[in-house]
Amino acid sequence: DAGVTQSPTHLIKTRGQQVTLRCSPKSGHDTVSWYQQALGQGPQFIFQYYEEEERQRGNFPDRFSGHQFPNYSSELNVNALLLGDSALYLCASSDRGHRQETQYFGPGTRLLVL
Amino acid sequence: GESVGLHLPTLSVQEGDNSIINCAYSNSASDYFIWYKQESGKGPQFIIDIRSNMDKRQGQRVTVLLNKTVKHLSLQIAATQPGDSAVYFCAENIWGYGNKLVFGAGTILRVKS
Repeated sequence: DAGVTQSPTHLIKTRGQQVTLRCSPKSGHDTVSWYQQALGQGPQFIFQYYEEEERQRGNFPDRFSGHQFPNYSSELNVNALLLGDSALYLCASSDRGHRQETQYFGPGTRLLVL
Repeated sequence: GESVGLHLPTLSVQEGDNSIINCAYSNSASDYFIWYKQESGKGPQFIIDIRSNMDKRQGQRVTVLLNKTVKHLSLQIAATQPGDSAVYFCAENIWGYGNKLVFGAGTILRVKS
């Protein structure tokens, strides 16, 4: 049973560039959430996608956008990168997106902005 | 590997001892809570969860206690092993047309052999 997968594992960008991160949910899951984890901190919720729609969004600027595809995979896009965007970006998947559904995390993508 | 949790509280225990990790949550309306383990360079790994209609739940070597009165969670690990060394996060699930997890600050667990 495949778990949550993310690509790429590491990425280096410069300020002002744009980046796209990808996530495939755990088999049988249809809901994807994205989190940002700065070094030494807990993950911070960015947004959640279900049925190809953004359902809930955390306190992140519009530079952060996403998409969910019909096969439930998802992308996170960040425009106009800032140094402060350097972090581990985590994708989590869950089943049906109902209340009290457990979210399972992927290994993350480490983004470094220079 | 990378060092996650440079400024997090640390709990050091001897191999074989029991560990207790504590966490405070913020939202009285939260009704679902999860403990995650995060090893260096990896994503958070689900350990155990508990719903607000319970005050205790046991898994394999782990027990979670929930005190809704003071908004407090604890994770107890029995017979701690070197492989338990990691950062531990509690998370509260907040529902608002979709679920979002709000994570606690995290605790580094170091197991001494």
